[in-house]
Amino acid sequence: QSALTQPRSVSGSPGQSVTISCTGTSSDVGGYNYVSWYQQHPGKAPKLMIYDVTKRPSGVPDRFSGSKSGNTASLTISGLQAEDEADYYCCSYAGSYTFVVFGGGTRLTVL
Amino acid sequence: EVQLLESGGGLVQPGGSLRLSCAASGFTFSSYDMSWVRQAPGKGLEWVSAISAGGINTYYADSMKGRFTISRDNSKNTLSLQMNSLRAEDTAVYYCAKVFSGWTPDYWGQGTLVTVSS
Repeated sequence: QSALTQPRSVSGSPGQSVTISCTGTSSDVGGYNYVSWYQQHPGKAPKLMIYDVTKRPSGVPDRFSGSKSGNTASLTISGLQAEDEADYYCCSYAGSYTFVVFGGGTRLTVL
Repeated sequence: EVQLLESGGGLVQPGGSLRLSCAASGFTFSSYDMSWVRQAPGKGLEWVSAISAGGINTYYADSMKGRFTISRDNSKNTLSLQMNSLRAEDTAVYYCAKVFSGWTPDYWGQGTLVTVSS
């Protein structure tokens, strides 16, 4: 069982928006502004999409955005495109003992 | 361009040992913390271990403490993971990752598969 809870799957049609949630505790997501999101296509390495809750690395489309409220972080993908179909994982710093925790992953299907 | 190239994976028997390596290039290796993350077949990502830029501080997930040892050689731009007392549940693709903000990874290697089986 993963430390952070994500929905197993979400889906949307091209052009629509979807939001993926990531629920933790005050010891990880709620306690630090160090939440990141990764996109992983089958057989590939994860790719950083969002860091520090809301920031986008260079080259990531602005269709991807992040937010946080309390112990829950969210990734929103607007204007869905076929190439967005992938697994998405959240990740959070969790303090000097547990250190880093991941969510169980969410499979995004573009209908 | 940041590049991370893992090696050393393979088939090992339960109770055996394996040493993974990661060759880094495209950035000042000695200035960045580094980590290992693994992914069991068909499963999610699991943080394994991290090491500070200078190699002084090391951190491990509970299930790896006492069995795995992370190290680095800044003169050779190489990160390593020594894995002992391997179990079937350690079977996974092991990724080397450059650490960014808040000890979370930004760049990842392509991974090396470790299979623990008799």
